[in-house]
Amino acid sequence: AQKITQTQPGMFVQEKEAVTLDCTYDTSDQSYGLFWYKQPSSGEMIFLIYQGSYDEQNATEGRYSLNFQKARKSANLVISASQLGDSAMYFCAMRGRSGGTASKLTFGTGTRLQVTL
Amino acid sequence: NAGVMQNPRHLVRRRGQEARLRCSPMKGHSHVYWYRQLPEEGLKFMVYLQKENIIDESGMPKERFSAEFPKEGPSILRIQQVVRGDSAAYFCASRQGAQEAFFGQGTRLTVV
Repeated sequence: AQKITQTQPGMFVQEKEAVTLDCTYDTSDQSYGLFWYKQPSSGEMIFLIYQGSYDEQNATEGRYSLNFQKARKSANLVISASQLGDSAMYFCAMRGRSGGTASKLTFGTGTRLQVTL
Repeated sequence: NAGVMQNPRHLVRRRGQEARLRCSPMKGHSHVYWYRQLPEEGLKFMVYLQKENIIDESGMPKERFSAEFPKEGPSILRIQQVVRGDSAAYFCASRQGAQEAFFGQGTRLTVV
C-alpha cells in the first residue's frame, strides 16, 4: 500500500520569502511518481510539479521546486518568493507504476499555506 | 482544447434521492478517475475507468455507488439513496497514455 504523510496542517510565510512544505511517502514500488497540487479557495485542483523516482535532478517549475530525497522518502515542495496568491491548500500525492497501485493517485491530508504581508 | 469538464458544479439533494455527476474528459483522453474529498481532507481514490470498462473500483463503497464511462458521452458517477455522509466534493481526472492526469473543477454535493 502507498501512503503520503504531510505533517504540517498549516503554515504561514511572509510575502517574498521562501517556504518549504513537507511530504514523506511510503511505498514498496521501485518505480513511482510524486506530485504536488494546489487547491485555492475556489476548489479546483491545480497541478504544480512532478518528480519521477528515477529522475536524477530535482524537478523545478518556475517558483516551485521539489526537494527529492529518495533515501529519506521525502518530496518537499519549496516555493520561492511567496506571493499572496500562493495562499491555498497544497497536496502531495504519489502514483505507483505497477500492479494495483498503477495510475491512481494517493494524496496526503494537505497543508494550508497562508501568505502574509 | 477544453479541460476536464464536470457538471454540475454544485448539486443539492435530499436524503434518499439520487445524485448523478458527469465528467467529460479532455479531448482524446480515454482514462477517467473519480476522487472524493471530504471537508478538510485530501482526495481519496474511488474508481478508474477506461472506455466502457471499470479497471479499478477498489475505492468505491460497495453499495449505492456506481460509475460508468460509455463509448459515447461523459463518465457518470451515480449515487443512489444519498445520505448526509455523501456530502463532499467529487473530482474527476482524465489522462491519456503516460501523461499527467488533469482534474476537473469538481462537483460539490450537499445532502440535506
